[in-house]
Amino acid sequence: QVQLVQSGAEVKKPGASVRVSCKASGYTLTDFYLYWVRQAPGQGLEWMGWINPNSGVTNYAQKFQGRVSMTRDTSISTAYMDLRRLRSDDAAVYYCARGKRESLKTVVTSADYAMDVWGQGTTVTVSS
Amino acid sequence: DIQLTQSPSFLSASVGDRVTITCRASQGIRSYLAWYQQKPGKAPKLLIYAASTLQSGVPSRFSGSGSGTEFILTISSLQPEDFATYYCQQLYTYVTFGGGTKVEIK
Repeated sequence: QVQLVQSGAEVKKPGASVRVSCKASGYTLTDFYLYWVRQAPGQGLEWMGWINPNSGVTNYAQKFQGRVSMTRDTSISTAYMDLRRLRSDDAAVYYCARGKRESLKTVVTSADYAMDVWGQGTTVTVSS
Repeated sequence: DIQLTQSPSFLSASVGDRVTITCRASQGIRSYLAWYQQKPGKAPKLLIYAASTLQSGVPSRFSGSGSGTEFILTISSLQPEDFATYYCQQLYTYVTFGGGTKVEIK
C-alpha cells in the first residue's frame, strides 16, 4: 500500500524553526517528485515547493525562498521540510504529497503533473 | 503568477443533483489542471488530472473538461459522500490552487 506518513504535531515559538518529516512506504521515495503544501486554519491550499528525491534538486515558491529547505534521506525513505523564522501566520497543517511525475522522466506531459498520494498532515502551531 | 478563480465558492445541492464547478486561469495553462476533493480534517484526494483524466479508483460520476483558461468539474449525480470542498490546481507554471468550492447539503 503506497502511503506517506508524516511526523507529529509541533508547537513552536515565533522565530523558531520546525522540521516536518514524510516517510514513504509501498514505493521507492526516489522514484517520484515530492511536493509540500500547507493549509492555514479555515483557508485554502498553498504550494510551498517540490523536491526531486532522486537528485535532491528543489524548487521553492517565491514566498518561502530563504526560509524553507526541502531535503531527503534516501536510506530511510524520508523527506524533510524545514521552515525557519516562524511567524504566527505560519500556523497551518503541512502536507507532503507524491507527484505523478517520475524523477527520471525527462519528456513529460500534463498527465505527469498532479499529486496522487498525500500524507496525513502535520499541524504546526506558532505561539508565544 | 497564474491565478485560479473558482466559482461558485459555495454550493448547496441535493443528493442526485448534477453539479458543476468552474475554474478559470488568469492565463492559458493548456491541460495542466487537476481537481481535488477535501473533507474536513483530511488530506486532499486527487480526482482528475490533465484536465479530464479520471484518477484510478475515483467514481465515474466525476468528470473534468476544458483547456486553456476555462475548466469544469462535473459530478453527474451527487452522492452523500461527495459533500466536501473541491479545489482546482494548475501545475503549468509552478503550482497554484483555486480558492475552493464548498459543496453542502441543501
